[in-house]
Amino acid sequence: DGGITQSPKYLFRKEGQNVTLSCEQNLNHDAMYWYRQDPGQGLRLIYYSQIVNDFQKGDIAEGYSVSREKKESFPLTVTSAQKNPTAFYLCASSITGASGANVLTFGAGSRLTVL
Amino acid sequence: GQQVMQIPQYQHVQEGEDFTTYCNSSTTLSNIQWYKQRPGGHPVFLIQLVKSGEVKKQKRLTFQFGEAKKNSSLHITATQTTDVGTYFCAGSTSGTYKYIFGTGTRLKVLA
Repeated sequence: DGGITQSPKYLFRKEGQNVTLSCEQNLNHDAMYWYRQDPGQGLRLIYYSQIVNDFQKGDIAEGYSVSREKKESFPLTVTSAQKNPTAFYLCASSITGASGANVLTFGAGSRLTVL
Repeated sequence: GQQVMQIPQYQHVQEGEDFTTYCNSSTTLSNIQWYKQRPGGHPVFLIQLVKSGEVKKQKRLTFQFGEAKKNSSLHITATQTTDVGTYFCAGSTSGTYKYIFGTGTRLKVLA
């Protein structure tokens, strides 16, 4: 079955540590995204990538970094510079529909807790 | 920057009552999408609207896109307990893959 796999599902880290969240898709989608969700809040865009070796900052990119070396993979690193990293992180991918609009397919998410 | 707001933030209804959530963008959108996130789950695509004034229906759900393409609504007729979750709109401007999500409306249905 095609889909998006995020790992790990749960992650705990100490303050000052970097952590990398994995996102892999086998949908052959061109675009990939990272969103952050805080309790009771909407999704905020961290980074997105339209093609391999290219990515753009979203609204809250500070303290995060990404890479897009392969079409299937879009890992997110939460650095120690991110002041409030505890959150639910969602990865998504999309393909351009006939109307030009992209439908986002989400992974199951990774819940990061900073101790 | 582009902002997308939704109201209400929360809504509790008795099973069988109707429910509506409204989405407003600070900028004109090329299209808008709606997603549903069940408690503990991830957002799942419901529908997309592209044309000004467009109305689409999915069983008990009715989606509208405003004439100015800056607002949208989702209406559920005769809610059921399976409708529980958070409903998000997501808008995109022309020529971009960037989707900005609304703040979401959390629906609780009381049996």
